[in-house]
Amino acid sequence: AQKITQTQPGMFVQEKEAVTLDCTYDTSDQSYGLFWYKQPSSGEMIFLIYQGSYDEQNATEGRYSLNFQKARKSANLVISASQLGDSAMYFCAMTLFKTIFGAGTRLFVKA
Amino acid sequence: EAGVAQSPRYKIIEKRQSVAFWCNPISGHATLYWYQQILGQGPKLLIQFQNNGVVDDSQLPKDRFSAERLKGVDSTLKIQPAKLEDSAVYLCASSLETSGGIERDTQYFGPGTRLTVL
Repeated sequence: AQKITQTQPGMFVQEKEAVTLDCTYDTSDQSYGLFWYKQPSSGEMIFLIYQGSYDEQNATEGRYSLNFQKARKSANLVISASQLGDSAMYFCAMTLFKTIFGAGTRLFVKA
Repeated sequence: EAGVAQSPRYKIIEKRQSVAFWCNPISGHATLYWYQQILGQGPKLLIQFQNNGVVDDSQLPKDRFSAERLKGVDSTLKIQPAKLEDSAVYLCASSLETSGGIERDTQYFGPGTRLTVL
């Protein structure tokens, strides 16, 4: 069965520093997609970055990068140069015909 | 390009009443998803449509929840009768399709409907 685990309920980071949000997943399938979404306090889910299971290079999108380690089944999100506006909930998700989300990590960016 | 539309944004009802939510996906998106997000948790997939067919509804409480997507475009999610534990945000999302890589799998979410059951 598919499973997504985010072990960090909350994280603090100083403005302008980098932060890594952890995500591990479990599936026996070889073809799947991994996503990260941001959910600010306003409630909307914002797509950040995607990694396909067959992609050999780590995905990057502006200040976001995904540290994909397939053998360890991890897909950690790295946010560089944190900004105050990055304070939000972050969800890792896996898609394999159906989508499952992790429990999320709340990120607090300190000025 | 217009995003995913949902209505209403907020709804307060008493337990045992009925409620319906509406979603209009991004034009051209074949796949539509309904999620339930309870406060403090990640979204849980309730039902997934591909065009007007159901792909997955394994987590939909079918004794009280129903959903339809007639004509393969907009969709309605209904709860009848509502229970206290149904209080949550109901998110609708759409994607081009499923299992086709970043362009086709990426889900775009609507603003959600916050349901409070008293």
